[in-house]
Amino acid sequence: SQTIHQWPATLVQPVGSPLSLECTVEGTSNPNLYWYRQAAGRGLQLLFYSVGIGQISSEVPQNLSASRPQDRQFILSSKKLLLSDSGFYLCAWSPDTTYEQYFGPGTRLTVT
Amino acid sequence: KQEVTQIPAALSVPEGENLVLNCSFTDSAIYNLQWFRQDPGKGLTSLLLIQSSQREQTSGRLNASLDKSSGRSTLYIAASQPGDSATYLCAPANQAGTALIFGKGTTLSVSS
Repeated sequence: SQTIHQWPATLVQPVGSPLSLECTVEGTSNPNLYWYRQAAGRGLQLLFYSVGIGQISSEVPQNLSASRPQDRQFILSSKKLLLSDSGFYLCAWSPDTTYEQYFGPGTRLTVT
Repeated sequence: KQEVTQIPAALSVPEGENLVLNCSFTDSAIYNLQWFRQDPGKGLTSLLLIQSSQREQTSGRLNASLDKSSGRSTLYIAASQPGDSATYLCAPANQAGTALIFGKGTTLSVSS
């Protein structure tokens, strides 16, 4: 069966510091991968998606970036965090057949 | 731009009631529609996936319907239980299937 992992589970970072969140998927190959953010009082927003290694599409312009160095690894990064980057970050994967999305446990990021 | 509205925003019911959660979306050109459950501080659990060509899907006590032409989906929960307490999210996918657009959810509380 497929499993999706995210780490860290929680993170507190000062404004201006860098960020790296990691997501890995087990038990499948060539998944579509997604990063979403859930800010307080707001709905889930798609940030990036990837249909293959090195193929990243950005949905929202911001100071975040994403990379996919391996087939089942998706990384969300920032060079300098803003207060507005605080939120709950969720990674998801889907097969390229049904496109049903499955979510990871999330990372709670607090920028202070 | 797709917009998703979920009504009601919150719902409190006694155990055993049957209930309906409503979702409306503005763009009928969707690939599929998913219903999710989110427990506080947790990731999303996929409940049901309805492909754009389907009218409904059932899983246990849950039944979801889709009327793509009118931009509506409903989630029916039969014989509600305290363990059903959570936030329920509706998310139609864009026509390419690569992006889910989320509503703000319906927060359900079932009392024993």
